[in-house]
Amino acid sequence: GAVVSQHPSRVICKSGTSVKIECRSLDFQATTMFWYRQFPKQSLMLMATSNEGSKATYEQGVEKDKFLINHASLTLSTLTVTSAHPEDSSFYICSAIDSGRTDTQYFGPGTRLTVL
Amino acid sequence: GENVEQHPSTLSVQEGDSAVIKCTYSDSASNYFPWYKQELGKGPQLIIDIRSNVGEKKDQRIAVTLNKTAKHFSLHITETQPEDSAVYFCAASILGSQGNLIFGKGTKLSVKP
Repeated sequence: GAVVSQHPSRVICKSGTSVKIECRSLDFQATTMFWYRQFPKQSLMLMATSNEGSKATYEQGVEKDKFLINHASLTLSTLTVTSAHPEDSSFYICSAIDSGRTDTQYFGPGTRLTVL
Repeated sequence: GENVEQHPSTLSVQEGDSAVIKCTYSDSASNYFPWYKQELGKGPQLIIDIRSNVGEKKDQRIAVTLNKTAKHFSLHITETQPEDSAVYFCAASILGSQGNLIFGKGTKLSVKP
């Protein structure tokens, strides 16, 4: 149980285009999901906290107009990187909290974004 | 805010030996401490967690100890195997705080056969 999926696992796009990444909780309902960014050989950096049915809370320094987050249901949150640039290339990971177990974050497998 | 320090940054052991990774935290209000294992190109996987109402928790070859007074907690892996090789992250949070985790910088564990 407690499986989180992400799609796509890898994406390559051209500068200026937008990319959408999906995060799904497969076998539980998640009122809260998180989006992280991870650079090579570094720890996870929290970008935003996503609550179902409300606006996401962004961490300081994260542009909300560039990284659009939508948490439309209890099992799906999406991150859209708008007008992507090479510096947006990174490993993006989502996590979800099981509504029935509010203490534990379960992570997705990550999405490798490369912007050319 | 909370700050989590993790040591060592890299750790190399022989297969069968034990490995210990240590973390310290700064906020005495933190009361939930999970450990994650991340393999190359994958997301972190929860391997064990501990709450502040216990001092030790064990799951087969993995154990975590917590010293609330000193504000540090440790991950112990016994009888290491090559498949234990990965990056391990400790984290701290406050129960009921919507789960915001503060991560350590990670430890790259290499188990040599």
